[in-house]
Amino acid sequence: QSVLTQPPSASGTPGQRVTISCSGSSSNIGSNTVNWYQQLPGTAPKLLIHSNNQRPSGVPDRFSGSKSGTSASLAISGLQSEDEADYYCAAWDDSLNGRVFGGGTKLTVL
Amino acid sequence: EVQLVESGGGLVKPGGSLRLSCAASGFTFSSYSMNWVRQAPGKGLEWVSSISSSTTYIYYADSVKGRITISRDNAKNSLYLQMNSLRAEDTAVYYCARERIGTQPWYGMDVWGQGTTVTVSS
Repeated sequence: QSVLTQPPSASGTPGQRVTISCSGSSSNIGSNTVNWYQQLPGTAPKLLIHSNNQRPSGVPDRFSGSKSGTSASLAISGLQSEDEADYYCAAWDDSLNGRVFGGGTKLTVL
Repeated sequence: EVQLVESGGGLVKPGGSLRLSCAASGFTFSSYSMNWVRQAPGKGLEWVSSISSSTTYIYYADSVKGRITISRDNAKNSLYLQMNSLRAEDTAVYYCARERIGTQPWYGMDVWGQGTTVTVSS
């Protein structure tokens, strides 16, 4: 059982916009920034979004992040086949004094 | 090229020990906080431990506290994870990852190694 809750799966067709939610609590998302990671099949994770909504250099602007209260979202617009991957949200948890991840969302491009 | 390369994984019996290493190159290792993150077969990511650049701040997940020790040697550009009293549930790919900025582990991990596999089984 992950501290942060994500839907286990999401899907969309090429060109569509997809959003992935991440629900937490006041001790994690509610008081700290959220980061998102993309893990392509068989590879190491990659930082996709940091500080709730900031894209590292090289990440396409099709990817965007937002946060409101104790929830966060990752949006992917103009969906492409290469976006098929697992996506994880993460944040620091003040109560656990540790970093917590969501359980991950497997995105399928139909 | 900025790079992290893990080593030291393998097959170990329950109750055994293992020391993982992570060699950094292409950046000023001594300026960055570092992390270990693991992924059990077919499962999601689990944060294990973090250490700040000067070792002032060290954090562990509750699931490994008391059994695992993180350390670093800035002169050797290396990060380590000493794992003792290993259990079947410690079986995973272990990644080392660089913290993007700062001394605390909440800014995001921007560089990852390819991972090293630890299997705990009799």
